[in-house]
Amino acid sequence: LAKTTQPISMDSYEGQEVNITCSHNNIATNDYITWYQQFPSQGPRFIIQGYKTKVTNEVASLFIPADRKSSTLSLPRVSLSDTAVYYCLVGDTGRRALTFGSGTRLQVQP
Amino acid sequence: KAGVTQTPRYLIKTRGQQVTLSCSPISGHRSVSWYQQTPGQGLQFLFEYFSETQRNKGNFPGRFSGRQFSNSRSEMNVSTLELGDSALYLCASRRTTAREGYNEQFFGPGTRLTVL
Repeated sequence: LAKTTQPISMDSYEGQEVNITCSHNNIATNDYITWYQQFPSQGPRFIIQGYKTKVTNEVASLFIPADRKSSTLSLPRVSLSDTAVYYCLVGDTGRRALTFGSGTRLQVQP
Repeated sequence: KAGVTQTPRYLIKTRGQQVTLSCSPISGHRSVSWYQQTPGQGLQFLFEYFSETQRNKGNFPGRFSGRQFSNSRSEMNVSTLELGDSALYLCASRRTTAREGYNEQFFGPGTRLTVL
């Protein structure tokens, strides 16, 4: 399984754009990149998933360079409610459950 | 559509006892995975069940076991509880199809187990 590395913590202010980068140097051809968000005492929640280039949905964008050895989750105009732990996961096909790394603890301040 | 449900939500046990946790996946989801989350170790994968068969297993001792029923509901059991087993136990379900593309996992609220 591809191992991921992401910053342990990040701080931001309301209204700013936040970019969290994840490294996954040994990503395999069949691997997808997925990001989850987790609030205290709750289960993780799916944010976005991509394979290459750029993916955008109503809450975030995911940028994946051509070599796919890293990815960046972009949260536009964060609010206090975006304070959470964000996990970057890399996984192969649906045959295997994903492994979570340490995550990035994002603290948004007023 | 109802989400993943887990029962009980909170549980207090003493060392040496055993415990059974239950998970009901989203209707139509055939895969159920279990995770343990502690402040020190983060989210760790326990095992995954698909069509009543365990097909992936994490690095946990044999005291941790699970099973899946024909309706996809799953239970996990921890025997001879230790203080270190205190954690939030999360269950996640996903659809999976014959084509085996990646499927999003949906997590339940978890069961908070405290071992005294």
